[in-house]
Amino acid sequence: QVQLQEWGAGLLKPSETLSLTCAVYGGSLSGYYWTWIRQSPGKGLEWIGEISHTGITKYNPSLKSRVTISGDTSKNQFSLKLSSVSAADTAVYYCARATITMIRGGLHYWMDVWGKGTTVTVSS
Amino acid sequence: DIVLTQSPGTLSLSPGERATLSCRASQSISNSYLSWYQQKVGQAPRLLIYGASSRATGIPDRFSGSGSGTDFTLTISRLEPEDFAVYYCHQYGISRAFGQGTKVEIK
Repeated sequence: QVQLQEWGAGLLKPSETLSLTCAVYGGSLSGYYWTWIRQSPGKGLEWIGEISHTGITKYNPSLKSRVTISGDTSKNQFSLKLSSVSAADTAVYYCARATITMIRGGLHYWMDVWGKGTTVTVSS
Repeated sequence: DIVLTQSPGTLSLSPGERATLSCRASQSISNSYLSWYQQKVGQAPRLLIYGASSRATGIPDRFSGSGSGTDFTLTISRLEPEDFAVYYCHQYGISRAFGQGTKVEIK
């Protein structure tokens, strides 16, 4: 059974760079997409971006200028960097595995394994 | 970018009742590239439905999804106590984006 675990600095000052890593246990990066999602306090979910097992990345247009997602197949990990953070970036950050499968002529995508989330607070 | 608008914001119902949640897209979503997730307090989201109407593995058949184009619906036929949660729709056609969520609360 695949499990994901996120970790990284939990408290940042404005303008610093957020750096999180997600470890994949019980499986490998191969064959899946690996995503980051966040949830601000009391708010809904925001998709941040993803990286495929071949290294192709895709980012939320509203965050694209500040986001970098990378993967390390040797360590079965993938990472998120978000630069120039502000209080608006305070959130619970989740990593998740996404499956993409051709079904009935369409390429369907779902996030079926999630980490428990890690809280990042940005405060001066 | 496609914007998803969910309604209502909050649904107050009793166990055993039927819940109907709506997700409307700002433009047509091709191939019904829409999924639904359930999130309980303090937990990560859980996949319920993908492709607008296909239930994920292990999801009870009281959960069903329907719709196409710009209008999608998640129906819970008879609410169980464990179904009271927040539900999000998610489109994966043009980029990826979540709706703002519908909270299903106990009346």
